[in-house]
Amino acid sequence: GENVEQHPSTLSVQEGDSAVIKCTYSDSASNYFPWYKQELGKRPQLIIDIRSNVGEKKDQRIAVTLNKTAKHFSLHITETQPEDSAVYFCAASQSYIPTFGRGTSLIVHP
Amino acid sequence: GAVVSQHPSRVICKSGTSVKIECRSLDFQATTMFWYRQFPKQSLMLMATSNEGSKATYEQGVEKDKFLINHASLTLSTLTVTSAHPEDSSFYICSAHPPTGDSNQPQHFGDGTRLSIL
Repeated sequence: GENVEQHPSTLSVQEGDSAVIKCTYSDSASNYFPWYKQELGKRPQLIIDIRSNVGEKKDQRIAVTLNKTAKHFSLHITETQPEDSAVYFCAASQSYIPTFGRGTSLIVHP
Repeated sequence: GAVVSQHPSRVICKSGTSVKIECRSLDFQATTMFWYRQFPKQSLMLMATSNEGSKATYEQGVEKDKFLINHASLTLSTLTVTSAHPEDSSFYICSAHPPTGDSNQPQHFGDGTRLSIL
């Protein structure tokens, strides 16, 4: 089955800095890569996603890159704000079923 | 659109109690729903895939007699934790996706149920 590795497990940055979270996956059949943000005790919410036929996608301060050859994908958040503090999960998906990374706890200090 | 509702949000009960959690798709029909379990500071672990009108598919290591899943309609799946014990305490979340026919789409999650067994 699919195996998704996510790093770092914890990321602490100052407000205004950029944050980068990296994931790798094992199954080349995975073709859809969503990223979720989860605040404490709440549901995961989709923040951005990318499909396997695209190398990069951007939405305001958030961008995701995908390297299919290396089976790497990354989340980039620029100009971080305290409200960006949360746990972020990457996932690799095929046929509707995602496999999640272990999560990154992002802390943005004011 | 694509709202998933989960109820209850919090359950505290004694050991040996059976607990039922409901997951509803409010504005779409879902032939498939997913149940996850999440321990503190850990990832979402898929427990089972709930299939409307047929048996659920359980992931390896998940006891189907312990975690009963029923998907009797296109908008409702239920997870019953039978004879719950303290080690069953966890955050349980369901998800579903609209039937667009596109397998590359995000899951829409319910709010989750915090289960605490005393």
